[in-house]
Amino acid sequence: EVQLVESGGGLVQPGGSLRLSCEASGFTFSDYYMDWVRQAPGKGLEWVGRTRHKVNSYSTEYAASVKGRFTVSRDESRNLLYLQMSSLRTEDTAVYFCARVRGTIGWHLDYWGQGTLVTVSS
Amino acid sequence: DIQMTQSPPSLSASVGDRVTITCRASQDISKSLAWYQQKPGKPPKSLIYAASNLQSGVPSKFSGSGSGTDFTLTITSLQPEDFATYYCQQYSSYPVTFGGGTKVET
Repeated sequence: EVQLVESGGGLVQPGGSLRLSCEASGFTFSDYYMDWVRQAPGKGLEWVGRTRHKVNSYSTEYAASVKGRFTVSRDESRNLLYLQMSSLRTEDTAVYFCARVRGTIGWHLDYWGQGTLVTVSS
Repeated sequence: DIQMTQSPPSLSASVGDRVTITCRASQDISKSLAWYQQKPGKPPKSLIYAASNLQSGVPSKFSGSGSGTDFTLTITSLQPEDFATYYCQQYSSYPVTFGGGTKVET
């Protein structure tokens, strides 16, 4: 069974940093691209960023709203996906989901974690 | 960036109804479109990919159609568990973008 479990959320002050983790199980983590998607309270979904797998040099893509402040990375030895967030702003307050990118047949997000809440406030 | 516009933002329906939600892309995305269902406090669930392909395990009452810029999600015989918010997503180009959502309520 595919499982994605996020952790690391919490309360952080504006300008601060936080690292989120997503532990993957039930599939060959190294075979898949992985995404982060966020959802501000009462709002819609916003794609944050993506890491490709080793074949594509672990290259990354980001939304303009987080580029230069957030970094997506992965540790394939531990089946972990990370989101390093810095220079946090109040508008970064959201539930952050990690999701698996299906690939090949369709580049949609076929499995999602339960999410972890990040609150940026003084 | 490709803008995804869903309509309507919300709709009122009853059990047994047929519901249609539309999604329009600001430029041609071929069939690079997915649909998701989200219930309160839960993560999104994949329903449809490549515009019309049903995700494994999703009941056939959900169907998708369209290509280019105009897409639809249809739910036949609405059941209580189908009341939720539905999102479209394009993955034709970066950044990946979502529609604003359509809330299906009673």
